[in-house]
Amino acid sequence: EIVMTQSPATLSVSPGERATLSCRASQSVGSSLAWYQQRPGQAPRLLIFGVSIRASGIPARFSGSGSGTEFTLTISSLQSEDFAVYYCQPYNKWPPVTFGGGTKVDIK
Amino acid sequence: QLQLQESGPGLVKPSETLSLTCTVSGASVSSSSYYWGWIRQPPGKGLEWIGSIYYSGSTYYNPSLKSRVAIFVDTSKNQFSLKLSSVTATDTAIYYCTGSDYYYFDFWGQGTLVTVSS
Repeated sequence: EIVMTQSPATLSVSPGERATLSCRASQSVGSSLAWYQQRPGQAPRLLIFGVSIRASGIPARFSGSGSGTEFTLTISSLQSEDFAVYYCQPYNKWPPVTFGGGTKVDIK
Repeated sequence: QLQLQESGPGLVKPSETLSLTCTVSGASVSSSSYYWGWIRQPPGKGLEWIGSIYYSGSTYYNPSLKSRVAIFVDTSKNQFSLKLSSVTATDTAIYYCTGSDYYYFDFWGQGTLVTVSS
């Protein structure tokens, strides 16, 4: 099973600022990594797959990078609707499916 | 656009079986294009994959739940279902049904809270 470690657990950011979230895998996942956003009281939604490919309807301020075991999700200029919890998920070996523990982005 | 909607009891007694159904619209559950699955989230915690099923009937389960889980498809109703037996309070969670055209989760239901309590 691949263990995903996300950091930081909580990130406090002011609106308009850049947010950088990290996700580390216990073994290489190549470029098979997805990110999800979960707003309060809502279901998660797919943001990015294939490390850097934005899902349909996702704004360009969201970008992903990395490969192997180290990955980053960057939100270039935080909007009010971006304050949420973000999860990473590897999918090179499936099953089982695992998720990172999440990073909460809150308002500074 | 694929849409998913969970349904089932919101309260289950300890030791009983949790049963949930996901109604699919916008696609056929027998389509070879999708995996169908269940993910849960205990209150205030992270995401836990329960299992998935492919149109062929192949099922994939979380090893930690495998002995208690069954996922199956009802093509006549365009639904798929989850059964989790011998539940305890630790099974209290929001349960999401999902649809995937690959090994990440493109489509999610709104989620349904299931509480295990006597």
